[in-house]
Amino acid sequence: DTAVSQTPKYLVTQMGNDKSIKCEQNLGHDTMYWYKQDSKKFLKIMFSYNNKELIINETVPNRFSPKSPDKAHLNLHINSLELGDSAVYFCASSQGGTYVYEQYFGPGTRLTVT
Amino acid sequence: GEDVEQSLFLSVREGDSSVINCTYTDSSSTYLYWYKQEPGAGLQLLTYIFSNMDMKQDQRLTVLLNKKDKHLSLRIADTQTGDSAIYFCAEWDTGRRALTFGSGTRLQVQP
Repeated sequence: DTAVSQTPKYLVTQMGNDKSIKCEQNLGHDTMYWYKQDSKKFLKIMFSYNNKELIINETVPNRFSPKSPDKAHLNLHINSLELGDSAVYFCASSQGGTYVYEQYFGPGTRLTVT
Repeated sequence: GEDVEQSLFLSVREGDSSVINCTYTDSSSTYLYWYKQEPGAGLQLLTYIFSNMDMKQDQRLTVLLNKKDKHLSLRIADTQTGDSAIYFCAEWDTGRRALTFGSGTRLQVQP
């Protein structure tokens, strides 16, 4: 059984388009995250949600909007895609948003903007 | 903000031990982690250590923590070709309530 799943795994799209990436976890965790990994493999937090409420919104363009319909899902919607948005996006989940000792990651979604 | 630093590359021969080093700056870090990323894959949690511990061993993996110097290391005993991957050190940032990752160390294991 997949603990944290993301769809799609690959996403190729043109500049200016709007796209969404979906994430689901079946671990019963109450906190979910989105991280971005750039071409140099550097990972950075974008958003985190605890019990469907936004905890962190790092310096991310407002073209990126997370949506959490329930505790098991955290989707990432991106408007007006730009070349610089090309990256691998990872969803993660954990139990507890303040003190955490295990955070599990999804397989990633490779976004390519042409 | 807090920084986590790692060397970028390490090459070892199969059967040798590998030691991957990491330094961090946030003295209030409660937990420190090691993640493994194989090519084209997600991040796999390998192990973690609580800040009041000096060492943690888990099969071939040994984590050493020097809190005074803010230095964390991961030792892999009897390194195998399947250990070839990028290894990320990360600390739990209690202020931002998220993981802060190092730049990753690419481990290459030569047969």
